[in-house]
Amino acid sequence: AQSVTQLDSQVPVFEEAPVELRCNYSSSVSVYLFWYVQYPNQGLQLLLKYLSGSTLVKGINGFEAEFNKSQTSFHLRKPSVHISDTAEYFCAVREVTGGYNKLIFGAGTRLAVHP
Amino acid sequence: SAVISQKPSRDICQRGTSLTIQCQVDSQVTMMFWYRQQPGQSLTLIATANQGSEATYESGFVIDKFPISRPNLTFSTLTVSNMSPEDSSIYLCSVERRGGPTDTQYFGPGTRLTVL
Repeated sequence: AQSVTQLDSQVPVFEEAPVELRCNYSSSVSVYLFWYVQYPNQGLQLLLKYLSGSTLVKGINGFEAEFNKSQTSFHLRKPSVHISDTAEYFCAVREVTGGYNKLIFGAGTRLAVHP
Repeated sequence: SAVISQKPSRDICQRGTSLTIQCQVDSQVTMMFWYRQQPGQSLTLIATANQGSEATYESGFVIDKFPISRPNLTFSTLTVSNMSPEDSSIYLCSVERRGGPTDTQYFGPGTRLTVL
């Protein structure tokens, strides 16, 4: 069965510093991968997704992620964070089989950007 | 994308009562989902609601506790019945337009429920 592990529950970082939020998954089949962001008191918003093609995916707000099949990872990166990036970030996986498969979410990583 | 609204945005309820949460989408969608997000936790899928059929519940969730309606392609309700403090959570509605494997899932703003 598929699972998603977000290795860091909290990541503190200073403004304008780079950040990487880690996500690993386990699955016996191919997967589609997603990153969502949840700002305080709001629902989830899609940052980016990997379906196929280039393993480097660019999303909104300057974020990007790289799919590494051999390491079963999909880490999220931003070269320079802003205070406004403070939020909860969720990695999600969907297995690719013949039928419909639900999204499986990781536990989330709380990014705290400090001035 | 899809614009999703939920009502109420938050509520404080007494133990033993029930609350119905509404989810409205700005266009027709194939699949609607209900999630629970307990304080400081990730999302847990409660059920999938497809129009014209019974909702499909995940393990640990039952229809008597969380009855769901899906009367058309733009609307769904989730009722949290006979509430206890353990039901205090954020309840999120989400949708997929076609329900295909490459589909993006869009989320509503959530309903923050506190049970006293």
